[in-house]
Amino acid sequence: DADVTQTPRNRITKTGKRIMLECSQTKGHDRMYWYRQDPGLGLRLIYYSFDVKDINKGEISDGYSVSRQAQAKFSLSLESAIPNQTALYFCATSDPTPGQGYEQYFGPGTRLTVT
Amino acid sequence: DAKTTQPPSMDCAEGRAANLPCNHSTISGNEYVYWYRQIHSQGPQYIIHGLKNNETNEMASLIITEDRKSSTLILPHATLRDTAVYYCIVRLRGNTGKLIFGQGTTLQVKP
Repeated sequence: DADVTQTPRNRITKTGKRIMLECSQTKGHDRMYWYRQDPGLGLRLIYYSFDVKDINKGEISDGYSVSRQAQAKFSLSLESAIPNQTALYFCATSDPTPGQGYEQYFGPGTRLTVT
Repeated sequence: DAKTTQPPSMDCAEGRAANLPCNHSTISGNEYVYWYRQIHSQGPQYIIHGLKNNETNEMASLIITEDRKSSTLILPHATLRDTAVYYCIVRLRGNTGKLIFGQGTTLQVKP
């Protein structure tokens, strides 16, 4: 059973469209993250959230927004998609409890193509 | 967070130990070394982490030099399923939790 799920897994959209990527987790973690990965590169952080009321920008937040609807749900939106947002998007969670190691657990990814 | 340097690629024969090096010469005293791997376009998977002492779990061993400026991830008996990109990340354990991914090492396990 997947602890971190992402929907959709694949999406093709046109330039200018609004699109939402969703992430759900059953791990009970407070911290959630959105990353993007471009071909041949490592992951870059877009936004992160420490709890429902705490949202923070990452390295590359321009052109993106997020919503933390509940502890278990963290959505990423592209208000007006552009081709250079074509990438693989990952959601992740972590447990900030002391002694838990702060490891991050990643979802399977959403492959987004903007034409 | 300290920067890391890894070789871009390595090969390993199936059944042999895979030793993946990482340099982190600017690491500070309270920064941990973490290893993740990513199997072809899947979400990254946590492997192991350590501060000073060597660590071992069911997946791998982590050897950190005494001066902490470098470390080695050891997969004791590599299998074809261990073919992946391996990321060495150095960060404060109690910080925002952000992970700074470099380019990693692509490990190819060959039959």
